[in-house]
Amino acid sequence: GESVGLHLPTLSVQEGDNSIINCAYSNSASDYFIWYKQESGKGPQFIIDIRSNMDKRQGQRVTVLLNKTVKHLSLQIAATQPGDSAVYFCAELRSFGNEKLTFGTGTRLTIIP
Amino acid sequence: EPEVTQTPSHQVTQMGQEVILRCVPISNHLYFYWYRQILGQKVEFLVSFYNNEISEKSEIFDDQFSVERPDGSNFTLKIRSTKLEDSAMYFCASPLAAFNNEQFFGPGTRLTVL
Repeated sequence: GESVGLHLPTLSVQEGDNSIINCAYSNSASDYFIWYKQESGKGPQFIIDIRSNMDKRQGQRVTVLLNKTVKHLSLQIAATQPGDSAVYFCAELRSFGNEKLTFGTGTRLTIIP
Repeated sequence: EPEVTQTPSHQVTQMGQEVILRCVPISNHLYFYWYRQILGQKVEFLVSFYNNEISEKSEIFDDQFSVERPDGSNFTLKIRSTKLEDSAMYFCASPLAAFNNEQFFGPGTRLTVL
């Protein structure tokens, strides 16, 4: 069946360093892949998305890379800050007749001061 | 920034009781979603709602669940007879438009079934 999964459940990074969070997916029919950030006690917050026909997309301090060959998605966060500490979820979306988000299991990122 | 609000923030109930979780989506949004997150697990889709009817529902969304938009602003999720395994965070979400990937999530309601 379809699934979106994450390689690592936890990641600790020194403040100021770059971090990379990885995600594997199995459904090739997905049109978009999205990263969400969830801080403690809050709902998921949209970070960045990438369409399935793209390889890379950049935002402010974040970059998402998509490798369709190996069905792999990654989120790079540059110059990490304490506020980046959160659980990060990848999610997939099939935009035609199915707008629901299918989430992966999440990676907890801890920024060490 | 747009905001989705949810009430209550925490609901404690006895098994078998009915609960109603409320959401006020961003005004002028047309699509609404409920998701749930069991503690320590991933966020799971429950149901989508468009034009005052259910658009899609997951296997979790059985006959004990229902959704309504009673007054054009509030969006409710009702669980008729709660079970222990219904204990979770319940999130309401709405995107700006169809096929828009930026879904705005509410802060969630923590449901505890005893």
